[in-house]
Amino acid sequence: AQSVTQPDIHITVSEGASLELRCNYSYGATPYLFWYVQSPGQGLQLLLKYFSGDTLVQGIKGFEAEFKRSQSSFNLRKPSVHWSDAAEYFCAVHTGGGNKLTFGTGTQLKVEL
Amino acid sequence: DTEVTQTPKHLVMGMTNKKSLKCEQHMGHRAMYWYKQKAKKPPELMFVYSYEKLSINESVPSRFSPECPNSSLLNLHLHALQPEDSALYLCASSRLAGSTAQSTGELFFGEGSRLTVL
Repeated sequence: AQSVTQPDIHITVSEGASLELRCNYSYGATPYLFWYVQSPGQGLQLLLKYFSGDTLVQGIKGFEAEFKRSQSSFNLRKPSVHWSDAAEYFCAVHTGGGNKLTFGTGTQLKVEL
Repeated sequence: DTEVTQTPKHLVMGMTNKKSLKCEQHMGHRAMYWYKQKAKKPPELMFVYSYEKLSINESVPSRFSPECPNSSLLNLHLHALQPEDSALYLCASSRLAGSTAQSTGELFFGEGSRLTVL
């Protein structure tokens, strides 16, 4: 069965600093990969997705992620963080069968002003 | 603005009550989902409907009863809940493609219904 690991439970960055959130997955083939963001008390919003092709994908709000097959990773990056980026970030994997999306445990991002 | 609408946003109920959560989408999606999310945890899948038919039930207790009356609506009927069922309940929808009715995993979520069971 597929699994998703987000090794960082909490990350704190200063506003304007760069950000990288880590995500590793376990699956025999290349899955569909996603990053979702959740603000407090809200639903989840899709930031970006990877299905195939170019391994560097651009998303909304200035986020990007890079798929690295050799490392089974799909790390999320942003060059300059804004205070409004403070939220919970979930990496997720979908293997195309069974219509099940498996979420990582999430990374809580705090932004210091 | 989310295109998946959930009502009510907040619900408080006693253990003997019967209530329902409602979800509506008008994006033409043919897969709809219920997730349960406890504080500081990722969403946990409860049910999946594909083409208005229940396709996945993640061994959810029978006190939760889903219903998909049509392709735009999804309900979750609640009865005899326990305090540990208090959580944020998220509805989501997605496109289905192909003869095998597969989703790509790109889900559109509502803002959730915050349930408190006393």
